[in-house]
Amino acid sequence: GAVVSQHPSWVICKSGTSVKIECRSLDFQATTMFWYRQFPKQSLMLMATSNEGSKATYEQGVEKDKFLINHASLTLSTLTVTSAHPEDSSFYICSPGSPTGELFFGEGSRLTVL
Amino acid sequence: QQQVKQSPQSLIVQKGGISIINCAYENTAFDYFPWYQQFPGKGPALLIAIRPDVSEKKEGRFTISFNKSAKQFSLHIMDSQPGDSATYFCAASTLNTGNQFYFGTGTSLTVIP
Repeated sequence: GAVVSQHPSWVICKSGTSVKIECRSLDFQATTMFWYRQFPKQSLMLMATSNEGSKATYEQGVEKDKFLINHASLTLSTLTVTSAHPEDSSFYICSPGSPTGELFFGEGSRLTVL
Repeated sequence: QQQVKQSPQSLIVQKGGISIINCAYENTAFDYFPWYQQFPGKGPALLIAIRPDVSEKKEGRFTISFNKSAKQFSLHIMDSQPGDSATYFCAASTLNTGNQFYFGTGTSLTVIP
């Protein structure tokens, strides 16, 4: 499978602060990056799709102003959780859009908001 | 409407036994059916996948059985090992139309020694 680097693997922050999560595609250039969120014992929920050089597309119910996505290069996309609150605590996982269409995930980032 | 339905929610299997997880889908346009394995605190890892032009695919101890007419596919883990204890997700997608993947709700597998 593809090599996807996601950082940090876990982060704890205070309510009201912002947290940035980085996702790097190491095997191929990704014009598209998918960001998922996973709550404990639940399935993966697509949050947004980012495209290099253009605005991200957000799924229904996902606040674009809270979850800022930047896809400035073909190998790096970032997700910033702004003004984080305890309900934003979750497991965030990225997946670069592969040339074959298959989905390969990063290791995930566990966010805990106190 | 849930596009992919997965069962059971949890499964306990004796070491050496066969683990079977089932999924059903609605959209006949789906043409790619992967299974993912996820360990606690880790991202899902692609385990095995099948396209609808074959009825079975085997990789080591893992086999996907695919029934196109019934719109069902299943994962079989032969000779289950404690190290297979994880959560398994099935998914479905149409590979050529923007990578929209639909995931099952997951199955927590526990293999007891």
